Amino acid sequence: GAVVSQHPSRVICKSGTSVKIECRSLDFQATTMFWYRQFPKQSLMLMATSNEGSKATYEQGVEKDKFLINHASLTLSTLTVTSAHPEDSSFYICSARLVGTSEKLFFGSGTQLSVL
Amino acid sequence: QQQVKQSPQSLIVQKGGISIINCAYENTAFDYFPWYQQFPGKGPALLIAIRPDVSEKKEGRFTISFNKSAKQFSLHIMDSQPGDSATYFCAASRPFYGGATNKLIFGTGTLLAVQP
Repeated sequence: GAVVSQHPSRVICKSGTSVKIECRSLDFQATTMFWYRQFPKQSLMLMATSNEGSKATYEQGVEKDKFLINHASLTLSTLTVTSAHPEDSSFYICSARLVGTSEKLFFGSGTQLSVL
Repeated sequence: QQQVKQSPQSLIVQKGGISIINCAYENTAFDYFPWYQQFPGKGPALLIAIRPDVSEKKEGRFTISFNKSAKQFSLHIMDSQPGDSATYFCAASRPFYGGATNKLIFGTGTLLAVQP
């Protein structure tokens, strides 16, 4: 099956620093990638949709200047949490849609961000 | 209209028993209904999915039952095992058209515990 690699799996940073999370589709091309945020024991909340070569589309209430998304190639999307604060601490998950398929999404293993 | 309601919030089942999780939706434009399994600290993994043109789909011990008129669908896990203990999410999305980006709408999740 299609594999989505997300890195790092866990990051601890000081308040005010920026953190970059990478999402790679290892054995397929993904024109569209999605970024989610998940709080403990809660559902996945879609943050933004990332299309290769174009600007990301952010969901209502998500600060685009806080969460910078870049989708420079068909296999890589990055999420940068800028000037992180403790309230940004969360589990971030990316997913990728296989080119040529309609709905199948493959998820990364997630990144646990802890901001001190 | 965009919500997917999921119940129960948590479920305890004895080993060998049947686990049943239910979801309901309102948007009749939804045409793809997947179920995801998530273990702690990991991203969701696609378990099984169904479209409205069939009333049931079975893959191994996992079965989706779909009731289009009631706008409900459910996941049945037969012969539940301790290894099935995880959080299960139902989801729904609208048809994908070329160039358009459809989004998965997730249910609130069900924490399943299978006791040995």
